[in-house]
Amino acid sequence: AQTVTQSQPEMSVQEAETVTLSCTYDTSESDYYLFWYKQPPSRQMILVIRQEAYKQQNATENRFSVNFQKAAKSFSLKISDSQLGDAAMYFCAYFSGGSNYKLTFGKGTLLTVNP
Amino acid sequence: DAGITQSPRHKVTETGTPVTLRCHQTENHRYMYWYRQDPGHGLRLIHYSYGVKDTDKGEVSDGYSVSRSKTEDFLLTLESATSSQTSVYFCAIRGDSSNQPQHFGDGTRLSIL
Repeated sequence: AQTVTQSQPEMSVQEAETVTLSCTYDTSESDYYLFWYKQPPSRQMILVIRQEAYKQQNATENRFSVNFQKAAKSFSLKISDSQLGDAAMYFCAYFSGGSNYKLTFGKGTLLTVNP
Repeated sequence: DAGITQSPRHKVTETGTPVTLRCHQTENHRYMYWYRQDPGHGLRLIHYSYGVKDTDKGEVSDGYSVSRSKTEDFLLTLESATSSQTSVYFCAIRGDSSNQPQHFGDGTRLSIL
C-alpha cells in the first residue's frame, strides 16, 4: 500500500523568508502524481502544486516550487517570500491511475508565518 | 472554482440516528470521493465512485454506505451514527484525464453527541 509521510507536524517562518516542507512517499508504481494542498483556517482544500512522476522538471507555481527526487521518493515544497496568507495546514498527497486516482494523504504540516 | 456543493455544512445529531450527507457537482465528472478529516490523521478515504452505480470502499469504510444514482450526486450515509464518526467530511471530484487533480468541496462538520 502507498504511504505518504510528512515528518514535520509544525513549521514556522518569518514573513518574506523561505521555508521548505518535507514529504516522502512509498510506492511500487511507476506512473503516479504528487500534490500539495493547502488548508487555511477556512477549511477549504486548495491545490497548490502538482508533479507528474514521469516529468524530471520540478513544478513551479509563482512563489511555490517543489524538489522532486524520484529515486529517493521525496517531494518537498518550497515557499519563497512567505506571506501572512500562506499560514495554513499543508498536505502532501499521492495518487496513481492504477488505484482509480484515490488520493493518499500525509498527516499534514501546520505552517505559521510570523510578521 | 470546481462546482461542488456539500450539504449540510454543519450538523449535530445524536448517537444511533441515521445521517446522510450530500455531494452535488455541476462538472459532469466521473470520479467522486468521500473523505473524513480528523486531527493527527490527515484525510482518509471512506468510499469513492467511478461512475453511476459504481462504487468501492476506501480505507475507513466501516459504518458508512454510499450511493450514486446519477452523475451529479454522491450520497454518504451513516446508518446508525456513533461518536467516533464525529469528523469533518469532504467530498472531492475529478475528471477523466490522468493528470487531473481532485477538487474538494467546502466540507461538512458533523458532530455526534
